[in-house]
Amino acid sequence: SQQGEEDPQALSIQEGENATMNCSYKTSINNLQWYRQNSGRGLVHLILIRSNEREKHSGRLRVTLDTSKKSSSLLITASRAADTASYFCATDDKAGTALIFGKGTTLSVSS
Amino acid sequence: NAGVMQNPRHLVRRRGQEARLRCSPMKGHSHVYWYRQLPEEGLKFMVYLQKENIIDESGMPKERFSAEFPKEGPSILRIQQVVRGDSAAYFCASSPRGTEEEQYFGPGTRLTVT
Repeated sequence: SQQGEEDPQALSIQEGENATMNCSYKTSINNLQWYRQNSGRGLVHLILIRSNEREKHSGRLRVTLDTSKKSSSLLITASRAADTASYFCATDDKAGTALIFGKGTTLSVSS
Repeated sequence: NAGVMQNPRHLVRRRGQEARLRCSPMKGHSHVYWYRQLPEEGLKFMVYLQKENIIDESGMPKERFSAEFPKEGPSILRIQQVVRGDSAAYFCASSPRGTEEEQYFGPGTRLTVT
């Protein structure tokens, strides 16, 4: 089934460094979304990028989408300890009725 | 504007009992989604509902699981005769118009089956 797969599974960096996470998916999409989940909490929406968009920014976040390669990346610049969380990409399914999540990238930012 | 509310936050049930999970969407949202998350896993879609209608239940196990979103009141995810494998975090999300927009997630209900 269509699914976003994040890479790497885990990432450890120092405060102030940039963090890049990648997501690949299998079939055509209408949009791709990135979410953050702090340990034991619900998901927080970060960015939605539509299939006709190539890049989107929100504060320290930058998302790119390459539909020819069926991939997306999330860049967090100047990371902070508070960015420590799991990050998931999600794509809409063929019927457009559900979000399909990957297994996530666990980011750890140490001070 | 209150966010998506779920209750209870934690639920412990013995094998064979029923679990009932509630979700109140954000004000003005008529689309509700239920997801299940196992430890160290991403979220798995279960069911998508609009008021009084099930739109897509392709992720729901065929037996023991049911969901509803009545005209009045919260959406309910019901699990009958729970088994240990049902232990997971269950998240509800809502949106105003469907998956073409972002979904707003509740804090989840952590179900433990003993």
